Amino acid sequence: AQSVTQLDSQVPVFEEAPVELRCNYSSSVSVYLFWYVQYPNQGLQLLLKYLSGSTLVESINGFEAEFNKSQTSFHLRKPSVHISDTAEYFCAVSDRSGNTPLVFGKGTRLSVIA
Amino acid sequence: KAGVTQTPRYLIKTRGQQVTLSCSPISGHRSVSWYQQTPGQGLQFLFEYFSETQRNKGNFPGRFSGRQFSNSRSEMNVSTLELGDSALYLCASSFSLLAEGYEQYFGPGTRLTVT
Repeated sequence: AQSVTQLDSQVPVFEEAPVELRCNYSSSVSVYLFWYVQYPNQGLQLLLKYLSGSTLVESINGFEAEFNKSQTSFHLRKPSVHISDTAEYFCAVSDRSGNTPLVFGKGTRLSVIA
Repeated sequence: KAGVTQTPRYLIKTRGQQVTLSCSPISGHRSVSWYQQTPGQGLQFLFEYFSETQRNKGNFPGRFSGRQFSNSRSEMNVSTLELGDSALYLCASSFSLLAEGYEQYFGPGTRLTVT
């Protein structure tokens, strides 16, 4: 069975500073990896995903994540954060075989300080 | 294109009662999944339905059940409510099965409070 560990439950960062949200997963099979964002009082939105191919994936709002198979990691980064990036971020993994559902980490609350 | 809609948005029930939550997926989407979100346990998968068939089920007791209709709309039911069932219940739809890597689109959720 898969599991996801998000190492930081809260990350405060100043506006325009870089940020990295860490995600490690465990799985005995090939996986798909996702980052979702949840703004206050809203549902989740997909930020980016890794299915195959290039290990570096990017979102339209400046976030990127790199799949590292040897480290079993999928850390999320942004070189310069904005106040509007304040939200909760969830890393998730799914089994390519379809035998197990999407498994989420506990989430990291990113707070951007002006 | 309209997003995933969930009704009702808020619900207050008493222990022992039952509740039915509804989810309308994005038009053309055939897969609907349900999740429970709580501060302590985070997001936990309940079940996935595809073409009216349950394809996967999470580790929840039998009090939690669901179904999907021919128009892909889905309902989940919780019987004999317990205080611990208080949570945000999220529905997500996708074009096809999660195993094929299709993106899930989430609804705003139904906030269930059990007193």
